[in-house]
Amino acid sequence: DSGVTQTPKHLITATGQRVTLRCSPRSGDLSVYWYQQSLDQGLQFLIQYYNGEERAKGNILERFSAQQFPDLHSELNLSSLELGDSALYFCASSLVDGRALDTQYFGPGTRLTVL
Amino acid sequence: AQSVTQLGSHVSVSEGALVLLRCNYSSSVPPYLFWYVQYPNQGLQLLLKYTSAATLVKGINGFEAEFKKSETSFHLTKPSAHMSDAAEYFCAVSDNSGNTPLVFGKGTRLSVIA
Repeated sequence: DSGVTQTPKHLITATGQRVTLRCSPRSGDLSVYWYQQSLDQGLQFLIQYYNGEERAKGNILERFSAQQFPDLHSELNLSSLELGDSALYFCASSLVDGRALDTQYFGPGTRLTVL
Repeated sequence: AQSVTQLGSHVSVSEGALVLLRCNYSSSVPPYLFWYVQYPNQGLQLLLKYTSAATLVKGINGFEAEFKKSETSFHLTKPSAHMSDAAEYFCAVSDNSGNTPLVFGKGTRLSVIA
């Protein structure tokens, strides 16, 4: 158990809908990262927040957005969902600001299925 | 921009045999390199990381990896495979400024045959 929690574990929805994925980092960790894992694209970095502020952005679509709240939990919002958004979405957390020496701890993921 | 290539999407070994998972990196600056493991229905777990200290890095569960700059490689090895090693393994790279996110390879699925 990494100490990172993600809810829900599974999510099934229809095209065009909007969903919110939630992540609670390990106690004391200030950085939260979101990744998307799909069969065709592999594991891709989406976005990172550090202590409430956006720190780095990866291959995140404009239909997707995220935020980190004062209690440090984070939410990833996915809107106008398409079939291709079906994937496993991971959250990871680390102690400080994401320097490479800072180990990222991954949650168990949320499996999103868009029908 | 950094990238990693993992050779072989699926590797199968017998229990007790040597495990060798290959990773080659591409980076214009000195990289940091990582190996992560993903067990079925779980998130990723860090096995080991290279951060420009010793070129031979020892990790958890008996795994180690050697950074070879001349070959731009960071292959993962374990002398003797256990059934419990069956999982997906990911190589990842970051630059050593600490300002770039991890870039992952496509992964290699390791099967261990009894």
